[in-house]
Amino acid sequence: KAGVTQTPRYLIKTRGQQVTLSCSPISGHRSVSWYQQTPGQGLQFLFEYFSETQRNKGNFPGRFSGRQFSNSRSEMNVSTLELGDSALYLCASSFFDRPDYGYTFGSGTRLTVV
Amino acid sequence: KQEVTQIPAALSVPEGENLVLNCSFTDSAIYNLQWFRQDPGKGLTSLLLIQSSQREQTSGRLNASLDKSSGRSTLYIAASQPGDSATYLCAVRPGLTGGGNKLTFGTGTQLKVEL
Repeated sequence: KAGVTQTPRYLIKTRGQQVTLSCSPISGHRSVSWYQQTPGQGLQFLFEYFSETQRNKGNFPGRFSGRQFSNSRSEMNVSTLELGDSALYLCASSFFDRPDYGYTFGSGTRLTVV
Repeated sequence: KQEVTQIPAALSVPEGENLVLNCSFTDSAIYNLQWFRQDPGKGLTSLLLIQSSQREQTSGRLNASLDKSSGRSTLYIAASQPGDSATYLCAVRPGLTGGGNKLTFGTGTQLKVEL
């Protein structure tokens, strides 16, 4: 079966611009979570979506936002990009009401802000 | 606040050696713990998922144990191979009473298996 699909794989943006990343979960998974990975901070939770609603939010500024569509696909948006937003952004899918199930991650989107 | 630590941060071993990676967490109120592997610049590949009620899980040459009361998990890799070279991450999922579905990740152990 298809895994978690993230697009694009790589992005280069300029400071001040905005960016949108996309994540398609495994078929049947309706929970999508987003994580940021940097060398200094490691993996940090951004937010989780289920049933088109944000269920959990990490400690990130309001420039980071997301949404989920009725087909469970999710997008995250970062506005007014800063150099420090350069990171690998990972998406994970799971069953929201099956905490025993575990998460499946995508290959990530590498964002470079110049 | 949950904190997850992995020791050692880096490890280099000759091929064929058995090795143990450690993961410790400060809050024992977890639902489960998941071990992942990450190759450079890539996403996370799930290796083993161990529920809080379980003591261990095995998959091929990998064995993960969990001691929830002491806040520790170990990942045992038998007969290591160069293809095992990667960063290994553990992540804990909070119990039903707090934290939602947010995973807290450890700092990772970078493993290099040499010929």
